[in-house]
Amino acid sequence: DGGITQSPKYLFRKEGQNVTLSCEQNLNHDAMYWYRQDPGQGLRLIYYSQIVNDFQKGDIAEGYSVSREKKESFPLTVTSAQKNPTAFYLCASSIPGLFSSYNEQFFGPGTRLTVL
Amino acid sequence: AQTVTQSQPEMSVQEAETVTLSCTYDTSESNYYLFWYKQPPSRQMILVIRQEAYKQQNATENRFSVNFQKAAKSFSLKISDSQLGDTAMYFCAFMNSNTGKLIFGQGTTLQVKP
Repeated sequence: DGGITQSPKYLFRKEGQNVTLSCEQNLNHDAMYWYRQDPGQGLRLIYYSQIVNDFQKGDIAEGYSVSREKKESFPLTVTSAQKNPTAFYLCASSIPGLFSSYNEQFFGPGTRLTVL
Repeated sequence: AQTVTQSQPEMSVQEAETVTLSCTYDTSESNYYLFWYKQPPSRQMILVIRQEAYKQQNATENRFSVNFQKAAKSFSLKISDSQLGDTAMYFCAFMNSNTGKLIFGQGTTLQVKP
């Protein structure tokens, strides 16, 4: 079955530690996205990538970093510079890349990150 | 910058009745897309319905339909014959046609009561 997987489902981190969230898709989608969701709020875009080896900052990129070495994978690293990292993180993918035209984004199941 | 506003933080409806969720947006673009996503307690985001701004006809998907008023920048979601499984948080989202970036509203929590 095609889809998006995120791991782990729950993640705990001590203050001052970096942590990496995994996102993998087998939908052959060019574009991938990372969102952050805080309680009772909508999703905010952290980073996005429209093609391999290229990515752009979203609205709240500070304290986060990404890489896009493979089409299927778009890991997100939450660094110690992120002041308030406790949140729910969602990864998404869609078909369009550089030649973008509209298409829906498909979401993974999410990772709940808690800083202790 | 585009913004999306959902003015109803919480709503409830009796099973089998109809409910309408409101959404307004602000943009200077003429070509864009609008979506409603559903997030049940599992937190999986599920696409409910989408609307292309250049289409005048309102989108429908089974029990779900939208009222798209482009001039008023309004995009409401109507759920007919509400079911218990419709209980979820609903997000309105605007897509920039050039970048594919989604901008979400704050969400409306819908409770369907038996």
